[in-house]
Amino acid sequence: QKEVEQNSGPLSVPEGAIASLNCTYSDRGSQSFFWYRQYSGKSPELIMFIYSNGDKEDGRFTAQLNKASQYVSLLIRDSQPSDSATYLCAVLSGGYQKVTFGTGTKLQVIP
Amino acid sequence: DTGVSQNPRHKITKRGQNVTFRCDPISEHNRLYWYRQTLGQGPEFLTYFQNEAQLEKSRLLSDRFSAERPKGSFSTLEIQRTEQGDSAMYLCASSLAGHGGGYEQYFGPGTRLTVT
Repeated sequence: QKEVEQNSGPLSVPEGAIASLNCTYSDRGSQSFFWYRQYSGKSPELIMFIYSNGDKEDGRFTAQLNKASQYVSLLIRDSQPSDSATYLCAVLSGGYQKVTFGTGTKLQVIP
Repeated sequence: DTGVSQNPRHKITKRGQNVTFRCDPISEHNRLYWYRQTLGQGPEFLTYFQNEAQLEKSRLLSDRFSAERPKGSFSTLEIQRTEQGDSAMYLCASSLAGHGGGYEQYFGPGTRLTVT
């Protein structure tokens, strides 16, 4: 079992719709959770982080964390073509607090 | 410039040569991470430093790889006797950990290595 799992996609949504991206993790002791956006040929850009169970909203983005079920999700409201990118889920865990990344979900927003 | 910087941005080398990359983190950040990313994969952890101490090194990292952060500021990553399998994007990230949270990592633009 991979430490951090994501569906590779592509996930296609029409412009203006809600995009829902999901991630599961294996280490129950994981402490912190991050979502990064990565455009092709560019480095990852941090868009959300969440430490506690529940929802965290920032503009059009909402991160949701459920530690009991070991999943974290990212909702993007009013999706725009500029949101088309790969979204990486990252999890911090372990005594040395290493961050492990999933392989990413490719999102395509269709105009 | 308040972001993470990396040099060079691109490096083409012949198999068997040594290469060295540099990363300058965000100035007040105490943690510095190195990752490797290949096409279609997420960043793969290589090693990280808290100040000048190297706290963890990936088991996947062979003895040909070495990293330093001598004064707790910039870091270098050296690959000796490069192989074609070393071709990848090498990413550096920094964070300000241990100050009421702050585990969020911010990435530099990366160094793309091509081994011919």
